[in-house]
Amino acid sequence: EAGVAQSPRYKIIEKRQSVAFWCNPISGHATLYWYQQILGQGPKLLIQFQNNGVVDDSQLPKDRFSAERLKGVDSTLKIQPAKLEDSAVYLCASSQGGKDESGANVLTFGAGSRLTVL
Amino acid sequence: AQSVTQLDSHVSVSEGTPVLLRCNYSSSYSPSLFWYVQHPNKGLQLLLKYTSAATLVKGINGFEAEFKKSETSFHLTKPSAHMSDAAEYFCVSLLGGSYIPTFGRGTSLIVHP
Repeated sequence: EAGVAQSPRYKIIEKRQSVAFWCNPISGHATLYWYQQILGQGPKLLIQFQNNGVVDDSQLPKDRFSAERLKGVDSTLKIQPAKLEDSAVYLCASSQGGKDESGANVLTFGAGSRLTVL
Repeated sequence: AQSVTQLDSHVSVSEGTPVLLRCNYSSSYSPSLFWYVQHPNKGLQLLLKYTSAATLVKGINGFEAEFKKSETSFHLTKPSAHMSDAAEYFCVSLLGGSYIPTFGRGTSLIVHP
């Protein structure tokens, strides 16, 4: 099966500019996650969707970050305006949205989008 | 609240020697626990998962992890390290009724020739 697709893989912008990242999850996966991974740290959950509804966005800086998942498939994460501290890898992951046959909710990750803010 | 603590930020071993990466969890409920690996400039890949079916879990590439409830631990082991194992390893937890995964800070595994 095809994996989680993300684009662009790399993006360099000036501070105060805007940027958007796109994610196409595995077909049929109901749950989609956006994580921020700053260099040297573990991924931090920004937002979690179940179909096209938001399950958790408590750590999303809503003054500058927004995310949507129209039609419950693809998702877009936007940053506007960007700050220097937003430099990170933005990871998208998807899962079935429930427990698989082993009783686990396994996430499959995309390769990530690396953002550099100058 | 749930969390995972990875006790070492870096682990350095020689090729052919055993690997031990430590993870402790804190949860009031029976957790689902996972280990993921991240090679440089690559996405996160699932190594193995624990879901209460068996306390000793075997994963890919010769890795294993043992769930010990009495110690609230889920340490990752491998009998013999290869150079290709050099990567960042993350312990991840899910509460029993939650689908919000929480990552540890990661452990960087360094393998010397």
